[in-house]
Amino acid sequence: KQEVTQIPAALSVPEGENLVLNCSFTDSAIYNLQWFRQDPGKGLTSLLLIQSSQREQTSGRLNASLDKSSGRSTLYIAASQPGDSATYLCAVLDNNDMRFGAGTRLTVKP
Amino acid sequence: EAEVAQSPRYKITEKSQAVAFWCDPISGHATLYWYRQILGQGPELLVQFQDESVVDDSQLPKDRFSAERLKGVDSTLKIQPAELGDSAMYLCASSVTGKAEAFFGQGTRLTVV
Repeated sequence: KQEVTQIPAALSVPEGENLVLNCSFTDSAIYNLQWFRQDPGKGLTSLLLIQSSQREQTSGRLNASLDKSSGRSTLYIAASQPGDSATYLCAVLDNNDMRFGAGTRLTVKP
Repeated sequence: EAEVAQSPRYKITEKSQAVAFWCDPISGHATLYWYRQILGQGPELLVQFQDESVVDDSQLPKDRFSAERLKGVDSTLKIQPAELGDSAMYLCASSVTGKAEAFFGQGTRLTVV
């Protein structure tokens, strides 16, 4: 059974810092990995999708990498802003279903 | 921009009552998911549809939960009877296929009192 872990559970940084969020998974036989953002009380917004054959994806200030063999993905956020404050979730799609980590709650202080 | 539509956004119900949630996926998306998210945790899959067929409902508490997608488009998730432990966010998602990028709706926040 696929297990997805996100570290840290919470992170607080001053505005302007670059930061890295981590996601690990136990079974490397995946189709893709997707990073989401969730604001309090809201649904999930898709940020980046990495196919299993890819190593990274970039969108604006966000860069996600995937190392399937080691079961790890990172989400890099450059020049963080207060508007980036949210919970970030990673989800792994394997042969069975899309399984989520518990998320990292990010706070960016002005 | 196409979105996954869910209603209602919020629902308060008394325990032992019946409650239903509705989801309209993005047009053309064959795969539809229902997830439950307890506060502070990641979403957990309840049921997955491919068109009108159930692909995975292994985590659906079938004694009280039911889901249908009769025409392979919109879907309804029902709970009867509701229990206090069912209080959570219920999220619907869709994708073109089961291997493609998934898009989520705004969710339904259920409170059982």
